[in-house]
Amino acid sequence: NAGVTQTPKFQVLKTGQSMTLQCAQDMNHEYMSWYRQDPGMGLRLIHYSVGAGITDQGEVPNGYNVSRSTTEDFPLRLLSAAPSQTSVYFCASSSRSALRGYRGQPQHFGDGTRLSIL
Amino acid sequence: KNEVEQSPQNLTAQEGEFITINCSYSVGISALHWLQQHPGGGIVSLFMLSSGKKKHGRLIATINIQEKHSSLHITASHPRDSAVYICAGKSQGGSEKLVFGKGTKLTVNP
Repeated sequence: NAGVTQTPKFQVLKTGQSMTLQCAQDMNHEYMSWYRQDPGMGLRLIHYSVGAGITDQGEVPNGYNVSRSTTEDFPLRLLSAAPSQTSVYFCASSSRSALRGYRGQPQHFGDGTRLSIL
Repeated sequence: KNEVEQSPQNLTAQEGEFITINCSYSVGISALHWLQQHPGGGIVSLFMLSSGKKKHGRLIATINIQEKHSSLHITASHPRDSAVYICAGKSQGGSEKLVFGKGTKLTVNP
């Protein structure tokens, strides 16, 4: 299993451009989420999904869209990039059984996407 | 005030020392995660616990739900333990949302 795969690893955009950060997992996990990590701040939840076709907003959803058409994929779209969206983005997935105490790794994280917006 | 507070923010230790990182939270949670972020940026989930204590190798995590406090201990610390350790509370009520602390940067010197 590859786990959680994020692409690209690095990206530089100009203000106003749009792009999609890809996230895929091959563990059949129900729950997927997107976080951003900024210096001096903890990870903050952008959007999450509890299953295919179901998404919801997290703490900092403005400027981002998500969709979950399959269990495996959870892309994050920046509609019109702004310098405030310069950050490191992490995708994570988990299984409901793990989150309920099954003895497995509770959360699986991708390696992150470092995004700079000029 | 953050809902999840960690202390200390930075910690430097000598190889072999016993390490304790603390996490306090002000919101109701159903479970608490401890994560490790390596210098290269990757994040690994270490523990999820809702009561008592869990142990994995040299790592021990404890939680006191009534006192809203958790600790992560590292015994016989090693330079390879150098990383940022993050605690995160899982919301009550069936939500899978996590609220994160800002992390504790641990440096273990040889």
